[in-house]
Amino acid sequence: EDQVTQSPEALRLQEGESSSLNCSYTVSGLRGLFWYRQDPGKGPEFLFTLYSAGEEKEKERLKATLTKKESFLHITAPKPEDSATYLCAVRVGGSEKLVFGKGTKLTVNP
Amino acid sequence: DAGITQSPRHKVTETGTPVTLRCHQTENHRYMYWYRQDPGHGLRLIHYSYGVKDTDKGEVSDGYSVSRSKTEDFLLTLESATSSQTSVYFCAITSSRNQETQYFGPGTRLLVL
Repeated sequence: EDQVTQSPEALRLQEGESSSLNCSYTVSGLRGLFWYRQDPGKGPEFLFTLYSAGEEKEKERLKATLTKKESFLHITAPKPEDSATYLCAVRVGGSEKLVFGKGTKLTVNP
Repeated sequence: DAGITQSPRHKVTETGTPVTLRCHQTENHRYMYWYRQDPGHGLRLIHYSYGVKDTDKGEVSDGYSVSRSKTEDFLLTLESATSSQTSVYFCAITSSRNQETQYFGPGTRLLVL
C-alpha cells in the first residue's frame, strides 16, 4: 500500500531558527513528490514538485530535496509568516491519485 | 491562482438531506478532483474527472456521486448526508500548463447535524 508519513506532526521555532521537515514515502513507482503550504481556513498552496532522487528546488527561505525514500523541506531563518501546515504528497505511476501525508504544523514565534 | 471557485463556502445540513457542492473553473482544465480533509487524516480523494461525463472513483467514494456536464463545473453530491461526511471539501484541478501538479480551491466547510 502506498504510504506517506510526515514528521514531526508539529514544530515550534523561534524566528531565525532553521530546521527541516521530513516526508518519508513507500510507493510503487514514484511519479512526483509535491509540497504544499496550507494556511488555516484555506486550500493547499502549491510549493514544489520533485521528480527524481538528488533533485532540489528553492523558493525564498524554503528548499526541498528528494532521496529514494524521503524528502526534506528545509526552512532557513524562518519568519512568523512562514507559520502554516506543510503537506507532502506523492503521485504514483499510472494513477491520477495524490497520496497525502497528514502534514506538519509549523509555528514560528517572533 | 488557478481560477477555481467553490460554492457554497459553508453549509450546515441535517442527516438524510441531499447536498450538492459545486466546483467552478474558468481556464478550461481537463482534470478536476474532489478531496475531503479531516483531522488525523491527510487529504483523501473522493472522485475525479478527466473530461465531460468522464469520472472515476477515488479512495473514499462511498456515499458520494459526481457529475460533470460542462468542462467548467464539477459537482459533488451527497445523496443522503451522514454525520461522518462532516468535513472540509476541496476541489482541485490539474493545470493544462503543468499536467503533473494539482491546484486547490478555497474549500467548502460542511457540517452534518
